[in-house]
Amino acid sequence: ILNVEQSPQSLHVQEGDSTNFTCSFPSSNFYALHWYRWETAKSPEALFVMTLNGDEKKKGRISATLNTKEGYSYLYIKGSQPEDSATYLCASTMNRDDKIIFGKGTRLHILP
Amino acid sequence: DAGITQSPRYKITETGRQVTLMCHQTWSHSYMFWYRQDLGHGLRLIYYSAAADITDKGEVPDGYVVSRSKTENFPLTLESATRSQTSVYFCASSEGVGTNYGYTFGSGTRLTVV
Repeated sequence: ILNVEQSPQSLHVQEGDSTNFTCSFPSSNFYALHWYRWETAKSPEALFVMTLNGDEKKKGRISATLNTKEGYSYLYIKGSQPEDSATYLCASTMNRDDKIIFGKGTRLHILP
Repeated sequence: DAGITQSPRYKITETGRQVTLMCHQTWSHSYMFWYRQDLGHGLRLIYYSAAADITDKGEVPDGYVVSRSKTENFPLTLESATRSQTSVYFCASSEGVGTNYGYTFGSGTRLTVV
């Protein structure tokens, strides 16, 4: 079973500050890395899907990078806002036709 | 309305009862998935299906049964519910797996087994 680890588990950030958190995954047979945003009482929503080493994706104030050789991805949030409070899930798949496996998430709390 | 819908939203059942959670998608996505969400475990894959009549086990399949007679439906059945199956269940669908295919999730079913 593919093991996807996220750190930290929980994070408190002051409104306006920037932050980042990590997803690590086995680098062998890597195929794709997903990031999801999951607000309380809602369902997870896809942010990014990345496949290439060195890939960077951006959506507004949120961006992500990927290092497939060392098996990690960073998610960055610039100028945190209250609406960024959510759990951010990372998920990875090892082979083209395999299902994705989720990490346990990083729970982000933005403090006013 | 187009989308992925789960029913019921909430369900309370007794230990030993059979219960079926429904999932319906209108996009004709090939892939459908069932996850359960538990504190400290995140999302764990129960079963998935690559197409109609094709299903496969995920990480935690024991105690669950699925079927996929039609592309748009993927029901999950607990044949004899146990308290350990109290959880929030999410259904998801995708055009494919791997690159560019993010999953779309339903709103979840909160199941309590008493």
